[in-house]
Amino acid sequence: DAKTTQPTSMDCAEGRAANLPCNHSTISGNEYVYWYRQIHSQGPQYIIHGLKNNETNEMASLIITEDRKSSTLILPHATLRDTAVYYCIVRVAKQAGTALIFGKGTTLSVSS
Amino acid sequence: DTAVSQTPKYLVTQMGNDKSIKCEQNLGHDTMYWYKQDSKKFLKIMFSYNNKELIINETVPNRFSPKSPDKAHLNLHINSLELGDSAVYFCASSQDPWRLGTGELFFGEGSRLTVL
Repeated sequence: DAKTTQPTSMDCAEGRAANLPCNHSTISGNEYVYWYRQIHSQGPQYIIHGLKNNETNEMASLIITEDRKSSTLILPHATLRDTAVYYCIVRVAKQAGTALIFGKGTTLSVSS
Repeated sequence: DTAVSQTPKYLVTQMGNDKSIKCEQNLGHDTMYWYKQDSKKFLKIMFSYNNKELIINETVPNRFSPKSPDKAHLNLHINSLELGDSAVYFCASSQDPWRLGTGELFFGEGSRLTVL
């Protein structure tokens, strides 16, 4: 699986948009971009994923550059409960039993 | 209903003991996983099972033995516990991505193991 690079930490004011970047310059054509987050010591939680088109769900938006070498996760109106470690992962989705390989992630701190 | 449940949530034991952590998922998924999160917060894959068959077996000491009696259960047995085994162990499951779904993983809440 391709490696990803994320900033170690970011800060965001409550109510503002949080934009979390991720570089995945060695991504292959059949690899998807996944975002997960881990709040405190809970189990990681799926946020969103995409292949090449931008995606949006009730939690966030995912913007993938045209060359697919980087992406940005957008939390449109961050709240204190969004404080967590955010992981950007790339992997081949259509492969049975393929595990997610977690990096260090970005620690997002949302403050009032 | 809890989708992926692990027991026990906390486990404190002495070095050299043998212990087990149980995991059950009620999502009807085909694949289950064990991850380890150490004190530095790195999440590492240990094992994955697809339809009760071992798919991934990372470089894990053979003191760790996963057992999958059926698709809904994946238990982790650890022999001769060592101090370095202290960690949070997460179970997860996913739908077989060949057939359906996105390959999204659903995680349990973790089992914190402390070896004294």
